[in-house]
Amino acid sequence: AQSVSQHNHHVILSEAASLELGCNYSYGGTVNLFWYVQYPGQHLQLLLKYFSGDPLVKGIKGFEAEFIKSKFSFNLRKPSVQWSDTAEYFCAVISGGATNKLIFGTGTLLAVQP
Amino acid sequence: SQTIHQWPATLVQPVGSPLSLECTVEGTSNPNLYWYRQAAGRGLQLLFYSVGIGQISSEVPQNLSASRPQDRQFILSSKKLLLSDSGFYLCAWSAGLGQPQHFGDGTRLSIL
Repeated sequence: AQSVSQHNHHVILSEAASLELGCNYSYGGTVNLFWYVQYPGQHLQLLLKYFSGDPLVKGIKGFEAEFIKSKFSFNLRKPSVQWSDTAEYFCAVISGGATNKLIFGTGTLLAVQP
Repeated sequence: SQTIHQWPATLVQPVGSPLSLECTVEGTSNPNLYWYRQAAGRGLQLLFYSVGIGQISSEVPQNLSASRPQDRQFILSSKKLLLSDSGFYLCAWSAGLGQPQHFGDGTRLSIL
């Protein structure tokens, strides 16, 4: 069965530190990849997505993610985090074909200390 | 622009009572619609999705059902709630297969 793994469940960083959140998926075919963010008290929002082309994807608020097919990974990065980045981050995958199944990871809770 | 509305925001129900959660989408036609349950430490679990009126796919066996009586309306129901139905339920829509999904604000359901 397809699955998505997020290795870091809880990350605490100081402002201006660099961030990398790991995401690995277990599907070998064509995939669409997403990172969603949920700020405290708000709904899930799309942060960035990868469908095809350049494997380095730029998203909102200075986030980027790199698709490495050989490693089945789609790690999220930000060079310098801010206190306002405190949120829960979810990696998600839709496998290729006629399916709508968006498979989510368990989420990573990021706390940025001022 | 497209918007998604989900209500109620919170709901407290006794065991054995019925349930109806409603989700509507505005600003688009023929969206794909989804119901998820979010559990702490377990991410989001897809419960149902629909590609059109009256077309419902169920992902996991459970005490819940879904219906799509109109193009932009998606309803999550139960005839008799169980304690295990407590949780946070999210509705989402997408423009098509493989496209990003956009989420509502969710409903916190507590069963007593």
